Amino acid sequence: QKEVEQDPGPLSVPEGAIVSLNCTYSNSAFQYFMWYRQYSRKGPELLMYTYSSGNKEDGRFTAQVDKSSKYISLFIRDSQPSDSATYLCANQGGSEKLVFGKGTKLTVNP
Amino acid sequence: DADVTQTPRNRITKTGKRIMLECSQTKGHDRMYWYRQDPGLGLRLIYYSFDVKDINKGEISDGYSVSRQAQAKFSLSLESAIPNQTALYFCATEGTSVYNEQFFGPGTRLTVL
Repeated sequence: QKEVEQDPGPLSVPEGAIVSLNCTYSNSAFQYFMWYRQYSRKGPELLMYTYSSGNKEDGRFTAQVDKSSKYISLFIRDSQPSDSATYLCANQGGSEKLVFGKGTKLTVNP
Repeated sequence: DADVTQTPRNRITKTGKRIMLECSQTKGHDRMYWYRQDPGLGLRLIYYSFDVKDINKGEISDGYSVSRQAQAKFSLSLESAIPNQTALYFCATEGTSVYNEQFFGPGTRLTVL
């Protein structure tokens, strides 16, 4: 079983919609949970990170971690066309190397 | 100026040719990584280096080699390129935060004919 599973999509939503992106993981040693955003023809960039279970909010973005079910989510409120990108979850744990999900491609239509 | 740069940005080559992809960084980070990205497969780690004297294989190192010439430079070589090495290649550095934030270059799109 791959350590991090992520539905690759693609996901297409209208502007203003609430977007939910999800990952599951298998390694209980993971301590930090991150979301990277990758625009077309660019390298990924860190969007948000969380350390423990619960929610973390940053503007229109909310990252949620449920360690009991090994499930992480990213919610985007009032989605904008500029949010169109590929979103990759990434986890870090005992090995000290990041483990990335495959990424979900999101398109927000005007 | 970009903190992590990659050259070339695009390269088309033929099967059997030797190719070198170069990465430079001005972030002062010790840890550097090479990934390839393929549709449907995500980012896969090829090699990584925690300092100039430390080189480690990632999950898909076969057919690749690396050289860490200095703290700022980390090169990836394909000794004899083959078509299934056609991919987008990313170099990344890693900061010293506890959550190991990685900083990616702009990528090199490599096509092997």
